[in-house]
Amino acid sequence: AQSVAQPEDQVNVAEGNPLTVKCTYSVSGNPYLFWYVQYPNRGLQFLLKYITGDNLVKGSYGFEAEFNKSQTSFHLKKPSALVSDSALYFCAVRDVNYGQNFVFGPGTRLSVLP
Amino acid sequence: DAGITQSPRYKITETGRQVTLMCHQTWSHSYMFWYRQDLGHGLRLIYYSAAADITDKGEVPDGYVVSRSKTENFPLTLESATRSQTSVYFCASVAGGAYNEQFFGPGTRLTVL
Repeated sequence: AQSVAQPEDQVNVAEGNPLTVKCTYSVSGNPYLFWYVQYPNRGLQFLLKYITGDNLVKGSYGFEAEFNKSQTSFHLKKPSALVSDSALYFCAVRDVNYGQNFVFGPGTRLSVLP
Repeated sequence: DAGITQSPRYKITETGRQVTLMCHQTWSHSYMFWYRQDLGHGLRLIYYSAAADITDKGEVPDGYVVSRSKTENFPLTLESATRSQTSVYFCASVAGGAYNEQFFGPGTRLTVL
């Protein structure tokens, strides 16, 4: 069965500092991994994805994520956080063996403090 | 406008009433999904559809009914609403191909009194 863990409910970081939001996954086959962001009273917005190839994936708004197969992780990173990055972040996985279903992590609330 | 829309955005109803939440997408995506979002549970899949007239249960389907007579529409019906169905409901769609990302609607906040 597929599963996604986001071990931190909340991450606080000062503006200008680097940020990391952690994600680990479990799938039986090859994973397709995604990060989404949710701002208050909005739907989820796609940030980036890993399908294959380079382990470092770059996405929207300066975010990037590193795929680590041995650690089954896909951590979201940004070199310099902005107050406007404060939101709820979701990691999701799709196992190609399970068709089109996505499995989402519980979400991590990021607060960037000025 | 292109995209995925949901209606209504907010709904208050009473226990036992039937409620239908609408979802419409303009991309002709083959796959559509309904999720509910609750504190402490993240997003949970209710139902999904691979194409018109093809639907399947997700993680939490009890108390919900879906239909998909047209590719662009995927309504979700609560046949007899219960307080435990108070939640925020999101519709999503994705083009075919396992590597494609989902696109989400703005959500419907449903309160069952």
